[in-house]
Amino acid sequence: NAGVTQTPKFRILKIGQSMTLQCTQDMNHNYMYWYRQDPGMGLKLIYYSVGAGITDKGEVPNGYNVSRSTTEDFPLRLELAAPSQTSVYFCATSGGLGGAEAFFGQGTRLTVV
Amino acid sequence: RKEVEQDPGPFNVPEGATVAFNCTYSNSASQSFFWYRQDCRKEPKLLMSVYSSGNEDGRFTAQLNRASQYISLLIRDSKLSDSATYLCGDKAAGNKLTFGGGTRVLVKP
Repeated sequence: NAGVTQTPKFRILKIGQSMTLQCTQDMNHNYMYWYRQDPGMGLKLIYYSVGAGITDKGEVPNGYNVSRSTTEDFPLRLELAAPSQTSVYFCATSGGLGGAEAFFGQGTRLTVV
Repeated sequence: RKEVEQDPGPFNVPEGATVAFNCTYSNSASQSFFWYRQDCRKEPKLLMSVYSSGNEDGRFTAQLNRASQYISLLIRDSKLSDSATYLCGDKAAGNKLTFGGGTRVLVKP
């Protein structure tokens, strides 16, 4: 099993461009999360989903959009990229039971210039 | 106020010593707590879940204090390989999982 797969691993965007960060999981987990991590900082929750068709905002949703049409996929869309969105983005999944741990993808390093 | 707060450190720890640090959470309805370890430029990985009764895994001990709304992590007999950032995770109602800013630990010979 691949677990949680994020693509691309690295990307450089120009200001104003758009892109989609892909996240797919083969763990059949209901719960999926998107975080951003700025240098030397912790994880900030952008959006999360408790199942297909259901998404909710986290701590820092502005400038991002998500969709969850299937259990496996949870893409994160950046519209009109800004330098403030330069960060490492992590996708995570959880089996959903209260104490169930979250598993992370390897991250996408995004630079907006 | 942040939902989860941690002392960023760094905690400079002599090899073989004990180090402990806390994480405070603001949501009294939070249900589950975790400690994750993150190495430089890597994804976080679960170190241990934190149970109401406290739990121990080898040299690592986690405690939960609901009255004061904090969790703690204690590392005994520190190894050089324990150098990392430790992230506190808080899963609230609706399975919203948030993290603190991380505590950096540097174990030195």
